[in-house]
Amino acid sequence: ELKVEQNPLFLSMQEGKNYTIYCNYSTTSDRLYWYRQDPGKSLESLFVLLSNGAVKQEGRLMASLDTKARLSTLHITAAVHDLSATYFCAVDLFNTDKLIFGTGTRLQVFP
Amino acid sequence: EPEVTQTPSHQVTQMGQEVILRCVPISNHLYFYWYRQILGQKVEFLVSFYNNEISEKSEIFDDQFSVERPDGSNFTLKIRSTKLEDSAMYFCASNQDGQGGNEQYFGPGTRLTVT
Repeated sequence: ELKVEQNPLFLSMQEGKNYTIYCNYSTTSDRLYWYRQDPGKSLESLFVLLSNGAVKQEGRLMASLDTKARLSTLHITAAVHDLSATYFCAVDLFNTDKLIFGTGTRLQVFP
Repeated sequence: EPEVTQTPSHQVTQMGQEVILRCVPISNHLYFYWYRQILGQKVEFLVSFYNNEISEKSEIFDDQFSVERPDGSNFTLKIRSTKLEDSAMYFCASNQDGQGGNEQYFGPGTRLTVT
């Protein structure tokens, strides 16, 4: 059974600081997705990573994928309050189209 | 920009009652999904649907659950006899071809409260 784990589960960081969220998964896959969820809201797609070594950046967020290590990272640069949300990674497998979500990382950015 | 819509936004029901949650996927998408999220927990896959039949379902999706595409636009999730533990946020999602590599687009969710 595919397991997807994130750490940390909760992250409180000061504006302007950098930090990385980690997503580990247990079975071979080269397709990984990052979503953002604001409280009480839906899931907003941030990044789609489709191959080993893939790196994508949008604003202060950068995501990468290492399929050999079964690891994806979401790096936050110079955090701002607007980034406060819960971030989920999700993985799918070759012969299925369902997404298996990670445990989520709740990010809180304070002044 | 096209988006997935869901109704109602919040449904309160008594234990044992039937509920139907409705979704309108993005119009040119062919694959449809239901996920649920119990408060404070991760998002869990329930079922995927393609070509008018279930393509995959999780162990959560037992005989109390069913899905249907009654017309060309709606996609519904029915819970036949709700239990307290069915209280959760239910998200509908869709994507174009169901093959990995296309992200799934999620609707705003329906909050189901079973009392």
